Amino acid sequence: RKEVEQDPGPFNVPEGATVAFNCTYSNSASQSFFWYRQDCRKEPKLLMSVYSSGNEDGRFTAQLNRASQYISLLIRDSKLSDSATYLCVVNRGGSYIPTFGRGTSLIVHP
Amino acid sequence: ETGVTQTPRHLVMGMTNKKSLKCEQHLGHNAMYWYKQSAKKPLELMFVYNFKEQTENNSVPSRFSPECPNSSHLFLHLHTLQPEDSALYLCASSQGTGTSGSYEQYFGPGTRLTVT
Repeated sequence: RKEVEQDPGPFNVPEGATVAFNCTYSNSASQSFFWYRQDCRKEPKLLMSVYSSGNEDGRFTAQLNRASQYISLLIRDSKLSDSATYLCVVNRGGSYIPTFGRGTSLIVHP
Repeated sequence: ETGVTQTPRHLVMGMTNKKSLKCEQHLGHNAMYWYKQSAKKPLELMFVYNFKEQTENNSVPSRFSPECPNSSHLFLHLHTLQPEDSALYLCASSQGTGTSGSYEQYFGPGTRLTVT
């Protein structure tokens, strides 16, 4: 099993749709989890950290399920500007050493 | 300037050249990272420095040589590269210590390298 796995997609959704991505991780000792967004030919940008209690930032909600070892990202009311690749990041055992997933591509169409 | 800066933004070099990539962070962070991103491939972590000490080297070929003179600056020295080394090279920084929230990474815009 890969350290961090994501469905590469693409997820093709209409504007206004709700879309969810999952990311599974193999190291049960992992403590830190993040979602990044990467636009084409640009650097990754932090979208949100994922806390044990879950967290929400506007239309974006992140959840952590330690028992099943996955994190999720829910995007409500999708906008055209949400089209990007979403990267899942898991830090090894509470350290600052990250492992990136391959990313999930989202395309929001009119 | 704020955030993480990288120079040059674009670089074309021959296989016999020697060049260096520079990264500077203005965030007061302690950890700095070099990544390679090839077309349609995931981010590959190359090197990690924490408080100027190298803590991670992911089996990177010796033609890539990192240097971290202080916590704000990171260099990647390149020599005798191969065409397959053409990629986007990204630098990032994070607090590196403390609570888990401080492990958030902030990336520079990258250097797009082409080896001819």
